[in-house]
Amino acid sequence: SAVISQKPSRDICQRGTSLTIQCQVDSQVTMMFWYRQQPGQSLTLIATANQGSEATYESGFVIDKFPISRPNLTFSTLTVSNMSPEDSSIYLCSARDNNQPQHFGDGTRLSIL
Amino acid sequence: GENVEQHPSTLSVQEGDSAVIKCTYSDSASNYFPWYKQELGKGPQLIIDIRSNVGEKKDQRIAVTLNKTAKHFSLHITETQPEDSAVYFCAARRDSNYQLIWGAGTKLIIKP
Repeated sequence: SAVISQKPSRDICQRGTSLTIQCQVDSQVTMMFWYRQQPGQSLTLIATANQGSEATYESGFVIDKFPISRPNLTFSTLTVSNMSPEDSSIYLCSARDNNQPQHFGDGTRLSIL
Repeated sequence: GENVEQHPSTLSVQEGDSAVIKCTYSDSASNYFPWYKQELGKGPQLIIDIRSNVGEKKDQRIAVTLNKTAKHFSLHITETQPEDSAVYFCAARRDSNYQLIWGAGTKLIIKP
């Protein structure tokens, strides 16, 4: 199964700043996803990162706030822009290849002061 | 819209006993049902999955059953151990869709 590494594992940021989270997969995958998880809650899909084209965002999430890059089949970044305390959450990277199960990184725990 | 309901939200069982978590899905076209275990400070880890052409699947102490008619599936853990304590999530998806629809999660507590 794919091994997914996320950096940073946690961070504390000032409001109004931006943070870029990196996600590296140890094999080429067709699909990469970014999720948000509030403590004690389920997972909410932010967007699907598409290689070579713009990400597909879910309702309630916009590109200006959460720009995503996917330069190749093993790497993606999520930026949380102009952060406010409401952005404090766990951000999870996930990936799967065609007809394969979906796997997750260990997440980035983000706190905004 | 598509929905997955998961029960119970918290389950406490004595070590060595069995635990059962149930999920109900709304989209009758769903044909893939994974279960994930999430330990504190970690990402969700796939523990077992089942496709709609199979009624039951086992992997050592873990089993999943699927009832397509009733649109529900269940996770069964036998001979529970302290390391089974975690939050468990069910999910559902149809092959034509990229997105997993998630249950709300079950916190499983194994009492020594």
